[in-house]
Amino acid sequence: GNSVTQMEGPVTLSEEAFLTINCTYTATGYPSLFWYVQYPGEGLQLLLKATKADDKGSNKGFEATYRKETTSFHLEKGSVQVSDSAVYFCALIPLSGGSYIPTFGRGTSLIVHP
Amino acid sequence: DAGVTQSPTHLIKTRGQHVTLRCSPISGHKSVSWYQQVLGQGPQFIFQYYEKEERGRGNFPDRFSARQFPNYSSELNVNALLLGDSALYLCASSFGQSSYNEQFFGPGTRLTVL
Repeated sequence: GNSVTQMEGPVTLSEEAFLTINCTYTATGYPSLFWYVQYPGEGLQLLLKATKADDKGSNKGFEATYRKETTSFHLEKGSVQVSDSAVYFCALIPLSGGSYIPTFGRGTSLIVHP
Repeated sequence: DAGVTQSPTHLIKTRGQHVTLRCSPISGHKSVSWYQQVLGQGPQFIFQYYEKEERGRGNFPDRFSARQFPNYSSELNVNALLLGDSALYLCASSFGQSSYNEQFFGPGTRLTVL
């Protein structure tokens, strides 16, 4: 079956530090890949996505590149802010078989200190 | 424009009871998906409905059921509640069914089973 593995959190950084949150996946075929962010007390918001190999998704300074050879979709940001503190979820949706059942990772909590 | 709305916000039930959760998608969206998010975990897919038909079902027991109405709103029903059903239940809507369509999440319904 499909699976998504994220690095354990919490990740604690100082403001303006560089962020990497690792995500690897197992899936049949070539799924679409997503990063979602969840702020305290809220639902998930789509942060970025990539639908094919070597695509780079980007939004609000965050980037992730779809790496087929390493089955990875690591999230990066060059300079984090306190307002980036949230839980980040990596997810995939398969494209084959007519079924679009998404699989999410466990989430990685990010805490940014001033 | 209103986002995805869910009701109620919070709910407390006892074991063995039945619960109905409601979701209104973004206007124009025809697909609704339901997820269960246990504390500290990523969302687990329960159902997807598109054009009032079930298009996907996750690995949940038959105690879980759902339906979509002609106005595309949806209900999730859970019978014979167990303590383990305590979770945040998220609804997400999208315009189409495929993985190319961005899902917009509601704030969730927090269900506590005592």
